[in-house]
Amino acid sequence: AQTVTQSQPEMSVQEAETVTLSCTYDTSESDYYLFWYKQPPSRQMILVIRQEAYKQQNATENRFSVNFQKAAKSFSLKISDSQLGDAAMYFCAYRSSSNQFYFGTGTSLTVIP
Amino acid sequence: DVKVTQSSRYLVKRTGEKVFLECVQDMDHENMFWYRQDPGLGLRLIYFSYDVKMKEKGDIPEGYSVSREKKERFSLILESASTNQTSMYLCASSLFGYGIGTSGFHQPQHFGDGTRLSIL
Repeated sequence: AQTVTQSQPEMSVQEAETVTLSCTYDTSESDYYLFWYKQPPSRQMILVIRQEAYKQQNATENRFSVNFQKAAKSFSLKISDSQLGDAAMYFCAYRSSSNQFYFGTGTSLTVIP
Repeated sequence: DVKVTQSSRYLVKRTGEKVFLECVQDMDHENMFWYRQDPGLGLRLIYFSYDVKMKEKGDIPEGYSVSREKKERFSLILESASTNQTSMYLCASSLFGYGIGTSGFHQPQHFGDGTRLSIL
């Protein structure tokens, strides 16, 4: 089975600064998708960004970008120009060819004004 | 936008009760999932379903069952609630993906607001 590891339970960043959240995964599949989700306090989990494993180009969505290293099985999330509204729990997720999603344990991000 | 609706935001039940958590999605998604979220443990899959009347066990199915009689509705049942089932429960749905490059496979899951269940 696939596993997803987020080694940073908590991170903090100064407002307007850049922060990188780490994620590694283990799989024997060659084709899959990776996602970062954001869960604000007491609010719904929403998609931040996605990456197709067969694409070498890193995905970007406004202030959010990923560093996808397929050989290293690494998928980190970079948040630029951090804002107070970025404070949340962030989950890395892997979608397998069997339609299952595997999640990491999450990183709680605090944004310091 | 996809809407996934969970029947209760907060629920308090007693030990031994049979508890039903309901989830409805409005986007004709084939896949539906029930997760349990606990601090430090992330999301753990209880059950998922990729079609009506179909169900697959996830990582922690013990003490739970599910029902999917209609495509839009996926119910989680705690047969005899116990205090260690106190948790946040998340329902999610997604399109069925037949493989890379096919419609649906790149689509993410969509989540409900969650049900915070307390068993006393």
